[in-house]
Formats: sequence, structure tokens, C-alpha cells
Amino acid sequence: KQEVTQIPAALSVPEGENLVLNCSFTDSAIYNLQWFRQDPGKGLTSLLLIQSSQREQTSGRLNASLDKSSGRSTLYIAASQPGDSATYLCAVRGYSGAGSYQLTFGKGTKLSVIP
Amino acid sequence: EAQVTQNPRYLITVTGKKLTVTCSQNMNHEYMSWYRQDPGLGLRQIYYSMNVEVTDKGDVPEGYKVSRKEKRNFPLILESPSPNQTSLYFCASSSTSGMGEFFGPGTRLTVL
Repeated sequence: KQEVTQIPAALSVPEGENLVLNCSFTDSAIYNLQWFRQDPGKGLTSLLLIQSSQREQTSGRLNASLDKSSGRSTLYIAASQPGDSATYLCAVRGYSGAGSYQLTFGKGTKLSVIP
Repeated sequence: EAQVTQNPRYLITVTGKKLTVTCSQNMNHEYMSWYRQDPGLGLRQIYYSMNVEVTDKGDVPEGYKVSRKEKRNFPLILESPSPNQTSLYFCASSSTSGMGEFFGPGTRLTVL
């Protein structure tokens, strides 16, 4: 069964700093990997989607990489801002049998950017 | 606008009183899923559906039912809610083209 781990569980950084969030998964036979942002008590906003054949994706100040063979992904946030404060979730889609694909989530990294 | 909608957004009910949380998507997605999110446990899949009339259990299906009679709708039914079903529930949809998962805004359910 796929397991997804996110380290660290919480991170506090001063505004303007570049930072990296880590995600690891146990089964490398994945379909894709998606990074989400969640504000307290709110829904999930998709940030970046990386297909299994891709190595990275970029959107603005965000860059996500994928190393499928080692079961790792990183989310790089450049020039962090207080508005980036949220919980960041990594989710891996893998084959779960009978033609279906299951999304497995990590427990997230709670980011606080201090002004 | 492409979206997943859920209703109600907030619900307080009592033990044993049947309830339904509706979910609808306007993107013609084949896949739909229900998740619950609890502190310390993260997001866990309850049920999923690969297409109309095709549903299957996720990781935590006990106490829940679903149906998929139309492609756009995927209601979550709690026949006899219990306090341990107090949680934040999310509906999600995705296509078979692998373009990622779209989530609804969430339903916060409290069972007294």
C-alpha cells in the first residue's frame, strides 16, 4: 500500500527566504503527483501537477520536482511571502487495481512565513 | 467556471438521523471521490467512483454509502451518523486524462 510522508511537519521562515518542502512515497509506480495548498478550514487548491514522465513543473515562484525512482518530490518556494502561509499537501496517484487509480495524501507541511 | 460544488457547507445533526451530502461537478469527469479530513490523520478516501454505476470502497468506507446514477453527481449518504463521523468532508473529481484532482470547498459535519 502506498504511503506518503512529508517532512517537516511544520516550518517557520522569515519573509523573503527561499524554502523547500519534501515529499516521499513508498511505491514508485505512480501515475502522477500533485501539490496542494490548504488554508485553515478551507478547501484544497491545486498548485502543481507532475506526470510520472516529467521531472519538474513550474508556476510563478513555485517549482516542483519529481524523482520517481527514488520516491521523492520537492516543492521549492522562492522569495516567500506572508501570504504563502498555509498547509502544503503532497498527493500521489497510483494504480489500485481493477482499472482504478487511488490518490494517497501526505499529512502536510504547515508553513508560516513571518513578516 | 469549472468547479466541484458541495452542499451543505456546514451541518450539525444528531446521532442516527440520516443525512446526505451532495456533490456535483461540471467538468464531465469520469472519476469522483469522497474524502474525510481529521486532525493528525490527514485526508483519507471514503469511496470513489470510476464512472456511472461503478463505485468502490476507499480506505475508510464504514458507515457511509454512495451512489453514482449520473456522471455529474456523487452524493455521500450517512444512514445512521455517529459522533466519530464528525469531520471535514471533501468531494473531488478528475478525468481519465490524468489532469489532476479538483476538490470541492468542503462540508464540515458535526454529529452530536
